Amino acid sequence: EVDLVESGGGLVQPGGSLRLSCAASRFTFKNYWMNWVRQAPGKGLEWVANINQAGGEKYYVDSVKGRFTISRDNAKNSLYLQMSSLRAEDTAIYYCARASMMDYFDYWGQGTLVTVSS
Amino acid sequence: DIRLTQSPSSLSASIGDRVTLTCRTNQSIATYLNWYQHRPGKAPKLLIYTASSLHTGVPSRFSGSGSGTDFTLTISGLQPEDFATYYCQQSFITPQTLTFGGGTKVEVK
Repeated sequence: EVDLVESGGGLVQPGGSLRLSCAASRFTFKNYWMNWVRQAPGKGLEWVANINQAGGEKYYVDSVKGRFTISRDNAKNSLYLQMSSLRAEDTAIYYCARASMMDYFDYWGQGTLVTVSS
Repeated sequence: DIRLTQSPSSLSASIGDRVTLTCRTNQSIATYLNWYQHRPGKAPKLLIYTASSLHTGVPSRFSGSGSGTDFTLTISGLQPEDFATYYCQQSFITPQTLTFGGGTKVEVK
């Protein structure tokens, strides 16, 4: 079965940076759009960003545009999220999710916690 | 922007109950509507895609219906593992925005 494992979360000060990674296995990674979705404490799910198969097409939710960068390395079967100028409201569990051909999220990782606090 | 409104925001139910959750959108999205289950500390799981198709491995007690702006998720015979939060998500305007509803929490009565 598809496996997605996130890493890189932790405690960071406001204004700081962090890079999340997602290791993918048991499917042909290079054939799929990939996404980051987050859940802030006590809140619902929020789509954050996605990237196409070759890495040349990327989209972001308005609240992270200009601060977060999604990328991928198909040779390493890995997805990344570079986060900078972090704010308290970026505190959340960040999930990596695979998108199907019809743009629903068919497989998800267990998530990695990012806490932005001084 | 497409907005998704789920109701109720929470409900209490008992094992064996039939429960119906609703998701409404502010514009027609045909059947580009998906449902997820999220238990605390777990990865979200896809239940239903394109309004009514059951994802692989999902029990048949889950069903989805609707089109246009009104959608429902029904759980026929609630099981202990079904107590969770359920989210709808639109995949009509893609890939640049993939919005979720606010969620419905199903709790034990």
